[in-house]
Amino acid sequence: DGGITQSPKYLFRKEGQNVTLSCEQNLNHDAMYWYRQDPGQGLRLIYYSQIVNDFQKGDIAEGYSVSREKKESFPLTVTSAQKNPTAFYLCASSDLGANTEAFFGQGTRLTVV
Amino acid sequence: GENVEQHPSTLSVQEGDSAVIKCTYSDSASNYFPWYKQELGKRPQLIIDIRSNVGEKKDQRIAVTLNKTAKHFSLHITETQPEDSAVYFCAASIGYSTLTFGKGTMLLVSP
Repeated sequence: DGGITQSPKYLFRKEGQNVTLSCEQNLNHDAMYWYRQDPGQGLRLIYYSQIVNDFQKGDIAEGYSVSREKKESFPLTVTSAQKNPTAFYLCASSDLGANTEAFFGQGTRLTVV
Repeated sequence: GENVEQHPSTLSVQEGDSAVIKCTYSDSASNYFPWYKQELGKRPQLIIDIRSNVGEKKDQRIAVTLNKTAKHFSLHITETQPEDSAVYFCAASIGYSTLTFGKGTMLLVSP
């Protein structure tokens, strides 16, 4: 079954702790993305990667870190430096080309208390 | 960078009516304009897209129009049904660049 999988679906953490969100895809896509979704804010790009061992900051990268050690995996770490980490996080992947469809995971809702 | 504005933020229609969602973009070099639908608690999914060499595209009850001169594009849904209720996002990109999304429109279709 091909697709993009995020885990866990819900995540709770205490303030000041780092937390890592998982994203795995078996679509053989070169490009992977992390978005943050807040009510009324749309989808804002955190980080993206177009090739293994390389990634680029998006519009709201502060307080986040990523790695791309494997083509299939693009984990996102929400660090204690992120001031408002409670949000819905979406991972996506796409072929590396112009005008290609992005496929989204089902999302992780992170709540920091 | 690219900026995408989307209106309205919420839209309520009666079943069977048409719904129109409009987006404007800032970078005249943008050439790809997809629309995503996100049902409550689910992932966004592509419903239709249009490229800059086309002015209109239809797929059953949905259509997208593009006005490159005015830098705006619109989603049209005809004969709306309750299952059309969702959040709709427009987006724009240039070639190999990442997508820039609008802030979304919550469409509510009442029976």
